[in-house]
Amino acid sequence: AQSVTQLGSHVSVSEGALVLLRCNYSSSVPPYLFWYVQYPNQGLQLLLKYTTGATLVKGINGFEAEFKKSETSFHLTKPSAHMSDAAEYFCAVTPYNTDKLIFGTGTRLQVFP
Amino acid sequence: ETGVTQSPTHLIKTRGQQVTLRCSSQSGHNTVSWYQQALGQGPQFIFQYYREEENGRGNFPPRFSGLQFPNYSSELNVNALELDDSALYLCASSLGLAGVDEQFFGPGTRLTVL
Repeated sequence: AQSVTQLGSHVSVSEGALVLLRCNYSSSVPPYLFWYVQYPNQGLQLLLKYTTGATLVKGINGFEAEFKKSETSFHLTKPSAHMSDAAEYFCAVTPYNTDKLIFGTGTRLQVFP
Repeated sequence: ETGVTQSPTHLIKTRGQQVTLRCSSQSGHNTVSWYQQALGQGPQFIFQYYREEENGRGNFPPRFSGLQFPNYSSELNVNALELDDSALYLCASSLGLAGVDEQFFGPGTRLTVL
């Protein structure tokens, strides 16, 4: 069955440092891939998505992710962390030929001054 | 244009009871999806409704059921509540199918089963 693995349930960075959140998927056929962010006591918000085309995807708030088929990865990056980036981040995948979204277990990002 | 809203915000039930959670989608959205998010976990897909018909279901028993109405509202019903049903229930709406289009999430309903 299709699955999504997010390495690291907690990531801590200093303000201004690089943010790297890891996501790997299991599929022989490239799925659709998403990153969502969840702020405390709020619903999830789409950061970016990959369906087809360019493998480097730019999203909101300065985030981007690169689809690497050979590594079955879709890691999320941001060059310089802000305090406001502290939240829970979820990678999600739509398996080939389905309409359901499967989420990873999430990574909590902490940003220190 | 209002976002996705859910009611109630919090709910406490006892084992064996039934519960109905409500969601109001964004105007014009044909699809609504429901997710269960247990503490410390990612959201798990329960089912999706497209134009008032169920269109896809996750690994949840039949006691989880739903409805989508023409006015963009939706309900999630859970019968014979179990302790493990305690979770945050999220509703999300989208223009098209959930697996492709951006989903807009509500803030969720926190259900506690005692």
